[in-house]
Amino acid sequence: GEDVEQSLFLSVREGDSSVINCTYTDSSSTYLYWYKQEPGAGLQLLTYIFSNMDMKQDQRLTVLLNKKDKHLSLRIADTQTGDSAIYFCAERMEYGNKLVFGAGTILRVKS
Amino acid sequence: DGGITQSPKYLFRKEGQNVTLSCEQNLNHDAMYWYRQDPGQGLRLIYYSQIVNDFQKGDIAEGYSVSREKKESFPLTVTSAQKNPTAFYLCASSIAASFVNEQFFGPGTRLTVL
Repeated sequence: GEDVEQSLFLSVREGDSSVINCTYTDSSSTYLYWYKQEPGAGLQLLTYIFSNMDMKQDQRLTVLLNKKDKHLSLRIADTQTGDSAIYFCAERMEYGNKLVFGAGTILRVKS
Repeated sequence: DGGITQSPKYLFRKEGQNVTLSCEQNLNHDAMYWYRQDPGQGLRLIYYSQIVNDFQKGDIAEGYSVSREKKESFPLTVTSAQKNPTAFYLCASSIAASFVNEQFFGPGTRLTVL
């Protein structure tokens, strides 16, 4: 079945690194995504990783994928107060365009 | 500016009334989607459409209806059959034939049924 799980809350201090974790169940996932949602707004794609990769780095963001354990993580280096938001992990099924989203992790950055 | 718009931002309705939420995009995307967001539950897919005049049910289609008469528009009607309609509704669009399938989201409509 399709299921994506994330921890609900993470609090870090400004300047520290944040690591948001996600697990998924469908081994046929092709792409995995991280989206960011600011209060009262829609979602914005932050980054994605193809299922045959194990790491992707994009400026302050590092995505790690452990396909064997079906575990995805997003590391934000030098976390800023503007990074405070809800972060959603999502997986794309092997066929079609359907995405399955996790419940979201609320990241709070303390100054 | 290319983008996806939803209106209105806030909507209040009495129980038992149907209500239609608007979603328009000028990105020339073929595919459009409707999601419902509830606190602590993430996004759940209501309906999606890959092409004009065609749409498929998502995971929670009961009590909702859609139409796709134009490429740019994908309105969602919340009917009186939807038992718990109060939620935040998000519309998205994407290029249909894309490996990455990046979905672009609108700002959302918060529906409150009184």
